[in-house]
Amino acid sequence: EAGVTQFPSHSVIEKGQTVTLRCDPISGHDNLYWYRRVMGKEIKFLLHFVKESKQDESGMPNNRFLAERTGGTYSTLKVQPAELEDSGVYFCASSQGLAGSITGELFFGEGSRLTVL
Amino acid sequence: AQSVTQLGSHVSVSEGALVLLRCNYSSSVPPYLFWYVQYPNQGLQLLLKYTSAATLVKGINGFEAEFKKSETSFHLTKPSAHMSDAAEYFCAVSDRGYGGSQGNLIFGKGTKLSVKP
Repeated sequence: EAGVTQFPSHSVIEKGQTVTLRCDPISGHDNLYWYRRVMGKEIKFLLHFVKESKQDESGMPNNRFLAERTGGTYSTLKVQPAELEDSGVYFCASSQGLAGSITGELFFGEGSRLTVL
Repeated sequence: AQSVTQLGSHVSVSEGALVLLRCNYSSSVPPYLFWYVQYPNQGLQLLLKYTSAATLVKGINGFEAEFKKSETSFHLTKPSAHMSDAAEYFCAVSDRGYGGSQGNLIFGKGTKLSVKP
C-alpha cells in the first residue's frame, strides 16, 4: 500500500514567487492535514480537510496561503507571493480517524522543504 | 490550551544504554498523548499513544512511555539503545475533541537522539 507522498521534496524560490506543494494521501483516508515546521521550532498545524471540505484552517498564517483538496483526493498548498518567513518543511498527513482521537493515527509524508531566498 | 515541552533538543547515549526522552504537557482536559519518530529522510511515524487506558504504554521497537498525571509527564524510555534508534522524536498532545475542537495534535519541538557505538 502506498504511503503519503509529497511533491516536490525540495523547492528553492525567490521572495515574491509562487510555489505549489502537492500531497497524495493514503487511499481511503478522509482526513488530510497540513503542518509546517520552521527550523528549530515545533511542528505547527496549518489546516485540516475532511474529504474535500476544510474542517479547520485556524493555523493558516495569512491569506498568502491557499489550500485545496480536489474531489477529496490529493491536496495542494499554494503560497503566493512567498516571503522569507515561509521557509520551512511542510508536512502532509492523512488518517482514517481524527488526528488526536482514540482511533486517529497520522501517517506522514516525507515533507516538502521550502527555501525562500 | 494545550502545549508540550520536550526537555533537551539533543540527547546522546551509548549503544546499550538507557534512553530517556522527556515530555511534559499542559492540558485543561484529560489529554491523549503521542510519541512520533522521524528517521532520516522519512516521514514521521507513530511510536505509541496514551488514550486513558493503561498508564504504561508499549510501542514499537522496544519503546515505552508512562503517563504520570501528577507530574504532567509522558517520558519515553527504552532500556537498551540501538544504533538504529538514532532519529528525531516528537511528543504530541491532543484535547481529543473536547469542547467542539477537532482533536488536533500539538507537537513539541522534538528531540534528536544520537547513539554512539
